[in-house]
Amino acid sequence: DVQLLESGEGLVQPGGSLRLSCAASGFIFSSYTMGWVRQAPGKGLEWVSDINPSGGTTYYADSVKGRFTISRDNSKSTLYLQMNSLRAEDTAVYYCAKAGGASWYHYWGQGTLVTVSS
Amino acid sequence: DFQMTQSPSSLSASVGDRVTITCRASQGINNHLAWYQQRPGKVPKLLIYAASTLQSGVPSRFSGSGSGTDFTLTINNLQPEDVSTYFCQNYNGAPLTFGGGTKVEIK
Repeated sequence: DVQLLESGEGLVQPGGSLRLSCAASGFIFSSYTMGWVRQAPGKGLEWVSDINPSGGTTYYADSVKGRFTISRDNSKSTLYLQMNSLRAEDTAVYYCAKAGGASWYHYWGQGTLVTVSS
Repeated sequence: DFQMTQSPSSLSASVGDRVTITCRASQGINNHLAWYQQRPGKVPKLLIYAASTLQSGVPSRFSGSGSGTDFTLTINNLQPEDVSTYFCQNYNGAPLTFGGGTKVEIK
């Protein structure tokens, strides 16, 4: 079975940094696009970033461009999201997701909560 | 800026009703549209991709249609377990925008 397990949850001050990880299992990780989607408390879904199977191509939402970096280690079947210069509006549950044939997401992790507050 | 406009933002219907949710893209996205269901407190679940292809295991009362800029999710014979928020998503290219969501409740 496909499993996506996020970690890195935490409380961080505005301007701080945090790295999220997503350990994948149950599929050939190196063959699939992976992404991060977030959901602020009581709000809708917001796509954050995508990375292609090799890690050579990445995409970002304008709201995080220049502050967040997505990466992957295919040898460890792990996806990462490095978040810098965090803002209060980055407070959300962050989901790791596996893309299907294109960038629709057919498997989601349970999510990890990031809280940005002083 | 590219936008996905979803409507209505909420609706209330009776068990057995047909429910229709629409999603409009600010520019054409071919059929690169997915629909997700998020039950309260749960992780989003893929229902439909390529505008009309039902994800494996999803009940056949769910269906999708549309192409270009206008898309529809239909739930036939609404069931109590369908109480959820539904989101559309463009995957035609970055940004992979989600619609604002439609909260479906039972009368």
